[in-house]
Amino acid sequence: QKEVEQDPGPLSVPEGAIVSLNCTYSNSAFQYFMWYRQYSRKGPELLMYTYSSGNKEDGRFTAQVDKSSKYISLFIRDSQPSDSATYLCAMYNNNDMRFGAGTRLTVKP
Amino acid sequence: EAGVAQSPRYKIIEKRQSVAFWCNPISGHATLYWYQQILGQGPKLLIQFQNNGVVDDSQLPKDRFSAERLKGVDSTLKIQPAKLEDSAVYLCASSSGGANQPQHFGDGTRLSIL
Repeated sequence: QKEVEQDPGPLSVPEGAIVSLNCTYSNSAFQYFMWYRQYSRKGPELLMYTYSSGNKEDGRFTAQVDKSSKYISLFIRDSQPSDSATYLCAMYNNNDMRFGAGTRLTVKP
Repeated sequence: EAGVAQSPRYKIIEKRQSVAFWCNPISGHATLYWYQQILGQGPKLLIQFQNNGVVDDSQLPKDRFSAERLKGVDSTLKIQPAKLEDSAVYLCASSSGGANQPQHFGDGTRLSIL
């Protein structure tokens, strides 16, 4: 079992849809959770950074962490074609950083 | 604020040759990371520096990979000799050095081994 599991997709949605991206993990020691967006031929760009269980909202993006279930989510409201990218979840504790494989998202106009 | 700078953007070499990548982190960032991202996978940490000291190099294939950060700013990652399985994007990231500060990435060097 991988430490971080993420459905690679691809996921295709129409413009304006609500997108739900998810990761599960096995190591309960992870305390910090991140979502990165990676456009083709670019480096990962930090979108959301959270600590502990609960929700964090930033514009159209909401990150959700459920430590008891070892499950994190990223929701994108009113999705736009410019949101088309690969979304990577990442988690961190004590110098140990692990990434999911990424979910490729396409938002069609 | 200028981001993490990496060069070259692309590199093509034959197996058994050597190659070096360069990274300039965000100004003031004490912690620097090198990652390997194979196509279709998430980044995998190779080495982490805190200033010019190595914090973690447990996943660095030390028989062929080396990295240094002599003055605690720029860093170079070298592969010698390269193998076909080293084809990947090599990403550099930096953070401000606090124990749990988020990492900011450069656009990487795309390495192809022929």
